[in-house]
Amino acid sequence: GENVEQHPSTLSVQEGDSAVIKCTYSDSASNYFPWYKQELGKRPQLIIDIRSNVGEKKDQRIAVTLNKTAKHFSLHITETQPEDSAVYFCAASLGGGGADGLTFGKGTHLIIQP
Amino acid sequence: DTAVSQTPKYLVTQMGNDKSIKCEQNLGHDTMYWYKQDSKKFLKIMFSYNNKELIINETVPNRFSPKSPDKAHLNLHINSLELGDSAVYFCASSQGQGQEKLFFGSGTQLSVL
Repeated sequence: GENVEQHPSTLSVQEGDSAVIKCTYSDSASNYFPWYKQELGKRPQLIIDIRSNVGEKKDQRIAVTLNKTAKHFSLHITETQPEDSAVYFCAASLGGGGADGLTFGKGTHLIIQP
Repeated sequence: DTAVSQTPKYLVTQMGNDKSIKCEQNLGHDTMYWYKQDSKKFLKIMFSYNNKELIINETVPNRFSPKSPDKAHLNLHINSLELGDSAVYFCASSQGQGQEKLFFGSGTQLSVL
């Protein structure tokens, strides 16, 4: 089955700086890569996703890049703000549903220092 | 209106008891899921239903039994609760079966004493 590794487990950055979270996946057939943000005590929420036919996607201060050859993808947050503090999860999916449909990374706790 | 709602938000109970968690979605989605988030925040799928039909049944104890009376509802019943069942349980839904663009409920914090 798919295995998703996520690094770092904790990331502390100064407000206004950029943050980068990296994930690798094992199954080259995976074709859908979402990122979820979970604030303390809240539900995970989808913030951005990318498919394997696209190398990069951007939404305001958030961008995701995908390198299919190396089987890794990254989340980039620019001009970080206090409300960006949360746990971020990457995931990889074969896109076809079923038990192996979506595998989450173990999460990155992003701390924005004022 | 809350898109995916689950109740209760907190559930504290003794070992050996039986409890249920209810979930409802008003998004018109075809597929609903139960996820378990352990103390280390790891999210793992337990079950998924598509139009009331069981699609995913991960390796969870058979003390856990999902029930979907209709495609807008997916409930989780747990028999003979154990200490290790303590976790946050999230219901979620999506339009298709591929666990894409998941909408999560607010979670149920289950504490087994």
